[in-house]
Amino acid sequence: AQKITQTQPGMFVQEKEAVTLDCTYDTSDQSYGLFWYKQPSSGEMIFLIYQGSYDEQNATEGRYSLNFQKARKSANLVISASQLGDSAMYFCAMREGYYGGSQGNLIFGKGTKLSVKP
Amino acid sequence: ETGVTQTPRHLVMGMTNKKSLKCEQHLGHNAMYWYKQSAKKPLELMFVYSLEERVENNSVPSRFSPECPNSSHLFLHLHTLQPEDSALYLCASSQDGWGYTFGSGTRLTVV
Repeated sequence: AQKITQTQPGMFVQEKEAVTLDCTYDTSDQSYGLFWYKQPSSGEMIFLIYQGSYDEQNATEGRYSLNFQKARKSANLVISASQLGDSAMYFCAMREGYYGGSQGNLIFGKGTKLSVKP
Repeated sequence: ETGVTQTPRHLVMGMTNKKSLKCEQHLGHNAMYWYKQSAKKPLELMFVYSLEERVENNSVPSRFSPECPNSSHLFLHLHTLQPEDSALYLCASSQDGWGYTFGSGTRLTVV
C-alpha cells in the first residue's frame, strides 16, 4: 500500500502568492517524522522542513510552513510569497519510528511539480 | 568539500559495460543510502549501510552491487545493466536517521 500520497502532479502559482502542496500519509506507528524536500532541475534533494508526530506546533522555516493534521494524516506544505526560484519538484517523505527504526529509511511520495509564474 | 558529493554527475554506458558510482560524505554520519529515481515514480530505496555494514537490500537485482569501505564512502558497482535501469541515482547520509542529506545525484543512461 502506498504510504505517501501526493495527489497534485503539477501546480501553478503566481509570483508573490501563497501555495499549498498536499501530502497524506499512512502509518500504524505512533512515532514518525514527516519531511518536505525540494528538487530543482539540477537533481539534488534540498531539505525544507520537518514535523515530528509528537510535535504540537506546526513546523515553520522561513517562508515554508507545514500544516500538520494528525487525525487526517495530512502534512501539507505551505509556501508563502512564492518566488521564481521556487519552481521545482517537491517531495513529501516519511520516516517511521522516532529513532529511525531501520536506520531511518525515508519513504517518498511521487512529488508535485510547482511552476511559479511571473 | 562539505555535504554529500556524488561522481560522476552524468554517465552513459552500454549494456555490457562495468562502471561505478561514487558517493562521499563529509558530515561524520554513520548511515549511507542509495536511492533510485525513475521518471514518474517515487524514489526507491536500494541499499542502506549503517556503520559500514549493509542492513537492507530492497530486492535489488544483482547487477547492482554496493560497497561501503568506510563510513565516508559508498560505491555502487554496475554491470550488464538494462535500459530500464536508466535513472537518477541519489546517495544520502544520516546520523541514525537524523539530518538526512542528499547528494546531487548521478544521471545514468544505459544504451
